[in-house]
Amino acid sequence: AQSVAQPEDQVNVAEGNPLTVKCTYSVSGNPYLFWYVQYPNRGLQFLLKYITGDNLVKGSYGFEAEFNKSQTSFHLKKPSALVSDSALYFCAVRDRGADGLTFGKGTHLIIQP
Amino acid sequence: SQTIHQWPATLVQPVGSPLSLECTVEGTSNPNLYWYRQAAGRGLQLLFYSVGIGQISSEVPQNLSASRPQDRQFILSSKKLLLSDSGFYLCAWSGTPGYGYTFGSGTRLTVV
Repeated sequence: AQSVAQPEDQVNVAEGNPLTVKCTYSVSGNPYLFWYVQYPNRGLQFLLKYITGDNLVKGSYGFEAEFNKSQTSFHLKKPSALVSDSALYFCAVRDRGADGLTFGKGTHLIIQP
Repeated sequence: SQTIHQWPATLVQPVGSPLSLECTVEGTSNPNLYWYRQAAGRGLQLLFYSVGIGQISSEVPQNLSASRPQDRQFILSSKKLLLSDSGFYLCAWSGTPGYGYTFGSGTRLTVV
């Protein structure tokens, strides 16, 4: 079985500071890993993914994430936060033998001016 | 390019009335299709998924049903809505396993 944990319900960061949104996963094999962002009353938008290769993946809007196999983590990061980054962020995992994604519960990211 | 359409965007329905939400995908064939519900701006609850026409898997027993009458059409229905059916409903599709899901814009359903 595959699972995802986002340990923080909410993350507060001052504008201009670096941000990290945490994600850990559990799969039986090698994972596909994804981050999505959701703005109020909107569908989820794809940010970035890890499939294979370089452990540091870069995505939309200046976000990046680092795949750490030993710690089974895929934390989302950005060097300098913007107020417009405030949204709900979802981490998702897919075991390469599985049919679908499993999503975390989501983390509210609040960037304070 | 592939696109996904979901409608309506908002819906207010009385308790006991029927429901039909539609989702269609363009630009791909034989997609996997999914219906999720999201309560109070938080986590996603998978309701139904389909890997082909007429093939529906239900994840959570409830007052809702799903159908896939055509390859790229996925419909969420209810015969009699309950107050607890209120929420934000999202349709999604996936193709190649490494490419994740693409989500529709969602339907805000309020049952009154």
